Order: sequence, then structure tokens, then C-alpha cells
Amino acid sequence: EAGVAQSPRYKIIEKRQSVAFWCNPISGHATLYWYQQILGQGPKLLIQFQNNGVVDDSQLPKDRFSAERLKGVDSTLKIQPAKLEDSAVYLCASSLEGWRYTGELFFGEGSRLTVL
Amino acid sequence: DQQVKQNSPSLSVQEGRISILNCDYTNSMFDYFLWYKKYPAEGPTFLISISSIKDKNEDGRFTVFLNKSAKHLSLHIVPSQPGDSAVYFCAARDISNFGNEKLTFGTGTRLTIIP
Repeated sequence: EAGVAQSPRYKIIEKRQSVAFWCNPISGHATLYWYQQILGQGPKLLIQFQNNGVVDDSQLPKDRFSAERLKGVDSTLKIQPAKLEDSAVYLCASSLEGWRYTGELFFGEGSRLTVL
Repeated sequence: DQQVKQNSPSLSVQEGRISILNCDYTNSMFDYFLWYKKYPAEGPTFLISISSIKDKNEDGRFTVFLNKSAKHLSLHIVPSQPGDSAVYFCAARDISNFGNEKLTFGTGTRLTIIP
């Protein structure tokens, strides 16, 4: 079974530039998450999709971050314009839904963003 | 506010000995607790979990203990092996919003197993 795929693995940009990250979840997983992990901290949920609808985006800085999940499969996370404090690893995860969900998430390898 | 706390940023243990990682929480609506393991340059992977109706769950060398009255859980690894060296995250599921159960992570503990 293929895991969660993310790209790019690494990205370095100047502040005020834009960046986009892509994620392909495990086949059959209806729920997709984007987490931000700043060095020394635990992953923080940015946005959660159920199929192609947003379930929770309460911690997404909507003035600069946007995310979409077209056709309920792949997802992209965009940052525009980037700030220095956006330097982090962006983790995509997917999970089974409904009663089968026990908190077990399947994470991708992450996309490390450095903003200079 | 930090609802899931891992107060030890790092821990070193001799190979073969027991490793004990601790986690405290504050939210009474947490009903499921999980431990994730993370190697450098990789995403976290699920390790073991426990429901709030239990006080112990065991899987091979890994055992998780839950003390609900103290709002404390711990992960025991015995015997510790070099491959266990990683960052361990405690996480908890919040069921207060049905249909939108959130997972909250702690800040992690870096475990180093000394050969």
C-alpha cells in the first residue's frame, strides 16, 4: 500500500515570495490534514478536509495561507506572501473516517520550508 | 494553551534498560491517547494507543499506561534498543466536537539509546 506522498521535500524562498506544497493521501482515506511543525514543537493542525470539504481551518492564517482539495483526493497548501516565521515542516496526513477513526494518522515525509 | 505536555525535551537510556516517556494533559474531553515516533527527515508514525476506558495497553516491547485521575500517561519501552532513538510525540483525541474530533500533539521527547 502506497503511503502519503508529498512534494517538494525541501524549499527555500525569500520572505514575501510564494510557495505551494502538494499532497496525495493514501487511497481510500477520505480525511486529509495539513500540519505545521516548527522546530522544537509538536505538529499543529492547519486545516482538515473531509473529502473535498473543509472540516476545520480555525488555525489556518487565512490572510496568507490557503488550501484546497479538488475532487476529494490530492491537496495543495499555498503560502503567499511568506514570512520568516513560516519556516517549518509542513506535514500532510490522512486517516480513515467515521467510527473507524481512532486518532491514527498516516503522515507523509513532510515538506521543509526555509524562509530567508 | 498547551493541553498536552511533554516536560522532558530529551532522555538518554542505556541499551537494554527501560525507557519511560511521560505525558500530561489538561482536557477532560480527551478520549483516546496515542504515541507517535519520528525519525529525522521522516513523518511521524503511529506507535501505540490507549482508550480512556483502559489503564494499560501492551504491544511487544511497548506499553502505555494511563492514569485518568492524574491526567497522566506514560510510554514504557523495554528493553530499549538503538533503533528506538527518535522523537516521541504524545497525542490526544478531543471528542467535544462530534464529527470533528481533533488530535492535539505534545512538543515531543527526544530519546537517545546509548549502546
